Amino acid sequence: NAGVTQTPKFQVLKTGQSMTLQCAQDMNHNSMYWYRQDPGMGLRLIYYSASEGTTDKGEVPNGYNVSRLNKREFSLRLESAAPSQTSVYFCASRFDGTRNQPQHFGDGTRLSIL
Amino acid sequence: AQSVTQPDIHITVSEGASLELRCNYSYGATPYLFWYVQSPGQGLQLLLKYFSGDTLVQGIKGFEAEFKRSQSSFNLRKPSVHWSDAAEYFCAGGGGLTGGGNKLTFGTGTQLKVEL
Repeated sequence: NAGVTQTPKFQVLKTGQSMTLQCAQDMNHNSMYWYRQDPGMGLRLIYYSASEGTTDKGEVPNGYNVSRLNKREFSLRLESAAPSQTSVYFCASRFDGTRNQPQHFGDGTRLSIL
Repeated sequence: AQSVTQPDIHITVSEGASLELRCNYSYGATPYLFWYVQSPGQGLQLLLKYFSGDTLVQGIKGFEAEFKRSQSSFNLRKPSVHWSDAAEYFCAGGGGLTGGGNKLTFGTGTQLKVEL
């Protein structure tokens, strides 16, 4: 019963390095999401994908790229990491059958950029 | 603009006491509302959701929430708090034609501390 799996759980980068955060879900969900969580700011949507092959920007997309590799996997890439991208990143997925379906979250990736 | 507000950043209650966490929303139509809980180092777990029907909804772990349209509120309650309820709680909302549980706006969270 894995649900949403994120790797890695922790990562430390230097400014300017690149990094890809991985997310996979085994619930056959259509939609997938990437959020960042910062103290006092709740969760903010970076990108989301309604289906394989489609992605859309969320509230804070600058400095990030995403790939919906297949129905299961949705990756988030930082091409040139900046200290402002230090955050906890959450991936979520959702079944689109009805509008009241909730999002299901992974345990997060804690990313520090020095 | 759609928004979700959690006025209380921190709340401390004694074990066994009742709990109410506040959430206010701003949506044009009937919103889809959710409460999530986040334990330290963990992801978000769904407690309950509301989209129509009975305004009092029951969730897991003994939580309930009441939707009050006149007050634009969706407050989370629990009659008797347990020490294991210490966590951060997030209210989230969605709405509109492409909203619902799809595009959520999260509140900034309320950190609950339980005193033994």
